[in-house]
Amino acid sequence: ILNVEQSPQSLHVQEGDSTNFTCSFPSSNFYALHWYRWETAKSPEALFVMTLNGDEKKKGRISATLNTKEGYSYLYIKGSQPEDSATYLCAFDYGGATNKLIFGTGTLLAVQP
Amino acid sequence: DGGITQSPKYLFRKEGQNVTLSCEQNLNHDAMYWYRQDPGQGLRLIYYSQIVNDFQKGDIAEGYSVSREKKESFPLTVTSAQKNPTAFYLCASSGPGQGRKNIQYFGAGTRLSVL
Repeated sequence: ILNVEQSPQSLHVQEGDSTNFTCSFPSSNFYALHWYRWETAKSPEALFVMTLNGDEKKKGRISATLNTKEGYSYLYIKGSQPEDSATYLCAFDYGGATNKLIFGTGTLLAVQP
Repeated sequence: DGGITQSPKYLFRKEGQNVTLSCEQNLNHDAMYWYRQDPGQGLRLIYYSQIVNDFQKGDIAEGYSVSREKKESFPLTVTSAQKNPTAFYLCASSGPGQGRKNIQYFGAGTRLSVL
């Protein structure tokens, strides 16, 4: 059974704080790691897809790193803003023929103004 | 606008009733998926379809059925055999133009409750 874990489960920070959270995934049969942002009452939206060990991706104040050898990815938010409040999901793609993703339980981020 | 439309937003099911959740996409994607979300759990795959007229069971298919008669449509039926249907249901699609990135695009979801 493939297991994807995210920590922490939830996080409360003040506006301006920088924060990070973790996604752990199987280190074997790796193909890609996805990060999605899911704001309340909206659809989940893709943030990053990373495929290579050592990959770093950045979009504005949000960045992500990937370590496929040890099976983890970090998502960083610099200078959190209230609009960053959302659930952040990671998903593991093991490259099977079926295009299935295995999702973690998510990290709920709340940024207080 | 291109995207995925799920309807209804809220749905109530009576005991012994089958209900159908709609999912339509105009992204020209080949693959479509249905997920279920329960509190404290990740998205769990119910069914997926990689091409018209073909679909496969996901991890929690019992009590559900689907059809894929058209590329743009992938309705999910929650049957009376599903004993715990109360959950939030998300539909997604993925398709060509992404290489093998397999980015999934999601609808806004349907919340199903039992009366």
